[in-house]
Amino acid sequence: EDQVTQSPEALRLQEGESSSLNCSYTVSGLRGLFWYRQDPGKGPEFLFTLYSAGEEKEKERLKATLTKKESFLHITAPKPEDSATYLCAVQDPSEGSNYQLIWGAGTKLIIKP
Amino acid sequence: EPEVTQTPSHQVTQMGQEVILRCVPISNHLYFYWYRQILGQKVEFLVSFYNNEISEKSEIFDDQFSVERPDGSNFTLKIRSTKLEDSAMYFCASILPANTEAFFGQGTRLTVV
Repeated sequence: EDQVTQSPEALRLQEGESSSLNCSYTVSGLRGLFWYRQDPGKGPEFLFTLYSAGEEKEKERLKATLTKKESFLHITAPKPEDSATYLCAVQDPSEGSNYQLIWGAGTKLIIKP
Repeated sequence: EPEVTQTPSHQVTQMGQEVILRCVPISNHLYFYWYRQILGQKVEFLVSFYNNEISEKSEIFDDQFSVERPDGSNFTLKIRSTKLEDSAMYFCASILPANTEAFFGQGTRLTVV
């Protein structure tokens, strides 16, 4: 069964303390890996799409990388406003899946001032 | 900036009652989705809709669920006879196929009592 696993479940950092979040996947044939940010009581907000091993994307303090089995979301010098749950999802590799996403459980990131 | 709009933000209903959750996707998007997120659990795919018909649905999307695009702008999810376990956040999303970024609405919190 296709799986998306995120670790850690929760991460507390001091402001300015860099770290990485992990997303490992076991889908057979990756069509796309997505990172979203979710604030409490809100819908997921798109951050990045990665398609192939070695690909990297950056946005402000965030950088997403991809290997054949996992993706990392690196956060550099985070600020309290980066506190959120970060969700990883992969596109269902089955034929005709029309961008159906399989989601991880998320990493809850708390940045303390 | 274009956004997906969902109404109501919160719906409380009695078990066995019918509810309709409404979504206005981004106007030039072509694929529409419903996802749900039970409190503390992963986001789960329910259904995708394209060209005025369901293109995919999950095991969760059983006969009590239906979707409609009645007027070319609204996209609705109907739950015919709600159960306690239907309590969740329901998210609508839309996507322009040339772009893999799915835009999510803010969600409707459904509470079945």
